[in-house]
Amino acid sequence: DAGVIQSPRHEVTEMGQEVTLRCKPISGHNSLFWYRQTMMRGLELLIYFNNNVPIDDSGMPEDRFSAKMPNASFSTLKIQPSEPRDSAVYFCASSFGQYSNQPQHFGDGTRLSIL
Amino acid sequence: AQKVTQAQTEISVVEKEDVTLDCVYETRDTTYYLFWYKQPPSGELVFLIRRNSFDEQNEISGRYSWNFQKSTSSFNFTITASQVVDSAVYFCALSEEGAGNNRKLIWGLGTSLAVNP
Repeated sequence: DAGVIQSPRHEVTEMGQEVTLRCKPISGHNSLFWYRQTMMRGLELLIYFNNNVPIDDSGMPEDRFSAKMPNASFSTLKIQPSEPRDSAVYFCASSFGQYSNQPQHFGDGTRLSIL
Repeated sequence: AQKVTQAQTEISVVEKEDVTLDCVYETRDTTYYLFWYKQPPSGELVFLIRRNSFDEQNEISGRYSWNFQKSTSSFNFTITASQVVDSAVYFCALSEEGAGNNRKLIWGLGTSLAVNP
């Protein structure tokens, strides 16, 4: 079975450019999570969706960040305009069901470098 | 407030040694779930185990074992006869049933394990 699929795996761009990260959750999973990981701050939850609806976006750093989930099989995280401090590994994860006992399954991440 | 503490930032052992990674949690909820994840040098995050707060039985999976003790709010992870392939960052995480629709995981900062040949 396919796991969580993220694209691109690596992205290098100049500051000020728009960046779009993509995620395809595991089929049948109805919760989707976006995380950012840096050496300084560790693993941070940015936003999560349940049944395509954003439930908690308190981790989104600022208005430059936005996330959408137009359907059950696709989500995007967009940064516009990007800044060097956005450089990090961004993970997407998905889980099944409506209860908090379900493990999250992660994609391989997108390594983002903003020059 | 809920919190997960992994006091060991880095551990270094020699192959075949046993090693225990500590995880201490704080929660006010009576029903909660604990998780361990592994992040090898390749970077992906791999789910290892989930434990329910009402099941205190220890669990063993090959060389891996987990010791859950509610009395000390700990969920420790032991690797027996460690191997170089066990080198990774290991994360402990907590979720609470009482959080309702909010299924946020509370993460520890991770323990970096280096197993040297």
